[in-house]
Amino acid sequence: ETGVTQSPTHLIKTRGQQVTLRCSSQSGHNTVSWYQQALGQGPQFIFQYYREEENGRGNFPPRFSGLQFPNYSSELNVNALELDDSALYLCASSSNRDPADTQYFGPGTRLTVL
Amino acid sequence: LAKTTQPISMDSYEGQEVNITCSHNNIATNDYITWYQQFPSQGPRFIIQGYKTKVTNEVASLFIPADRKSSTLSLPRVSLSDTAVYYCLVVRSASKIIFGSGTRLSIRP
Repeated sequence: ETGVTQSPTHLIKTRGQQVTLRCSSQSGHNTVSWYQQALGQGPQFIFQYYREEENGRGNFPPRFSGLQFPNYSSELNVNALELDDSALYLCASSSNRDPADTQYFGPGTRLTVL
Repeated sequence: LAKTTQPISMDSYEGQEVNITCSHNNIATNDYITWYQQFPSQGPRFIIQGYKTKVTNEVASLFIPADRKSSTLSLPRVSLSDTAVYYCLVVRSASKIIFGSGTRLSIRP
């Protein structure tokens, strides 16, 4: 167990809807990263939050947005859902004091868009 | 960030030692080499990380030659539960992690 938790575990939405996924980071970690993993592929970096500010973004459209709270937990919001958004969404926490930026992943949220 | 190349798949048998090699020719001075394991529908699990020479923990060993352009993850005496996808990554402080396609390891009885 990494101490990183995500909710909900599974979610089913329809095209055009909006979704919010949540992540609680491991104790002592101030950085949270979000990844999208389609079936059979490696995780793809969405963005990273450090001390409530976005600290890097992958190749995802603006309808993917996020927040980090003072307790370092985080949310991923996706607007105007598309069928291709169906994936496992992973949250990982890390500490900026770790020079190797070791990331510890949560169990993920399985999103299905119909 | 340096790109990594690793075999798409590997097969082995219970009790054997498995070595998965990863190449990262463009690794930079500040980069660390990290390996993750992932089971279906679960988040990747950190296995081991190193900078140079050899690192060993209770799960695996990581061998890194002096030029650091490659690394080898060694899993001693594998079991069926080691069947998973293994990712080799090069990471740097305060930067995003780029996952490749990983190596799909299948262990047979």
